[in-house]
Amino acid sequence: DTAVSQTPKYLVTQMGNDKSIKCEQNLGHDTMYWYKQDSKKFLKIMFSYNNKELIINETVPNRFSPKSPDKAHLNLHINSLELGDSAVYFCASSPRDLFDYEQYFGPGTRLTVT
Amino acid sequence: DAKTTQPTSMDCAEGRAANLPCNHSTISGNEYVYWYRQIHSQGPQYIIHGLKNNETNEMASLIITEDRKSSTLILPHATLRDTAVYYCIVRVMDSSYKLIFGSGTRLLVRP
Repeated sequence: DTAVSQTPKYLVTQMGNDKSIKCEQNLGHDTMYWYKQDSKKFLKIMFSYNNKELIINETVPNRFSPKSPDKAHLNLHINSLELGDSAVYFCASSPRDLFDYEQYFGPGTRLTVT
Repeated sequence: DAKTTQPTSMDCAEGRAANLPCNHSTISGNEYVYWYRQIHSQGPQYIIHGLKNNETNEMASLIITEDRKSSTLILPHATLRDTAVYYCIVRVMDSSYKLIFGSGTRLLVRP
């Protein structure tokens, strides 16, 4: 009964490649997010989608393109991977209720670019 | 969102209360205090949040000072599984939804 799942858990690839990370939530939430945690362990929001509509884009390079086919899925596609993209990427979701902003995080995808 | 200041690390003995402080002296009236934690290699986990009253749930208690410039997260009986990085976050309840994480406090619970 996984709430927020991500695939793959680990991803090792070479510079210049294009890769995707998938995220699915079975909580019925309207809002989904992507966060990046770098080697210094700082967690930063990248994107947020609400009902398949982009609501936050935190000045992320346009090599990163989120795609939400439906409100239960938010995938992250990365073009022309660079060494600096190596990080752990977390997907999260939350309900849209004004007073219930708890975010539920997935287990993370560790991306290593060589 | 207001900036928060937390100690880099703390430790406590298993079974004892863990009291994690957070300063947020520039907090504004419509900003809530949230606590999340991240156990090694896992995604962050919500713990508790509050506006101005003290809050308690099955995981922890949140004590917010009357002037709201600081707060304390209390884990009443810490276990080894509570070893984690604890993040104090202040944010408005608006449609941006985003959480801004600082560097947090690394709590080590000793056997």
